[in-house]
Amino acid sequence: GQQLNQSPQSMFIQEGEDVSMNCTSSSIFNTWLWYKQDPGEGPVLLIALYKAGELTSNGRLTAQFGITRKDSFLNISASIPSDVGIYFCAGQESGNTPLVFGKGTRLSVIA
Amino acid sequence: DVKVTQSSRYLVKRTGEKVFLECVQDMDHENMFWYRQDPGLGLRLIYFSYDVKMKEKGDIPEGYSVSREKKERFSLILESASTNQTSMYLCASQGIPQPQHFGDGTRLSIL
Repeated sequence: GQQLNQSPQSMFIQEGEDVSMNCTSSSIFNTWLWYKQDPGEGPVLLIALYKAGELTSNGRLTAQFGITRKDSFLNISASIPSDVGIYFCAGQESGNTPLVFGKGTRLSVIA
Repeated sequence: DVKVTQSSRYLVKRTGEKVFLECVQDMDHENMFWYRQDPGLGLRLIYFSYDVKMKEKGDIPEGYSVSREKKERFSLILESASTNQTSMYLCASQGIPQPQHFGDGTRLSIL
């Protein structure tokens, strides 16, 4: 099945640094989602984006729905140790179609 | 808050056994999904359902079946478990137009 191109695959950063990751697709999506997964747990929804160009924040997290509808970005400002985990992007063509996922970005934060 | 409950966090079964993984959601969601997650392969869709008694194959349905007799419950069945089905299994539910929410996952080991 289709998958999104998510980068980077992994990141090692110092506590307090800002983080950026992105997802690109060859297809157009009408919804972009960002999830975070802690070890041994299920993914938890962070941000949902429904409109091209939309910029949405959730605390220190900010995500954008690309103008072309083929990409999305997630930024984390002033990282802290509990930001450690795997971040997944997902795209959806319409409400009744399955999600297409990226392979995830594994974030490690060095205190 | 959306609550998606998977019946077991950890499960160990033997090759050839018939295995049932249960998922229940309490939000009257129409759509439910089963994924498996393996290192390096990301999340892969096994089956999904848009309504009671309705099912659709995902990307990797071979060796699996599903049952949705009631709206709140979506069961994944391994007809004859094999070692290559050792994996993390994730259930998700979605109420249109809301995004998907995941359960905590079942880590299944087939010996």
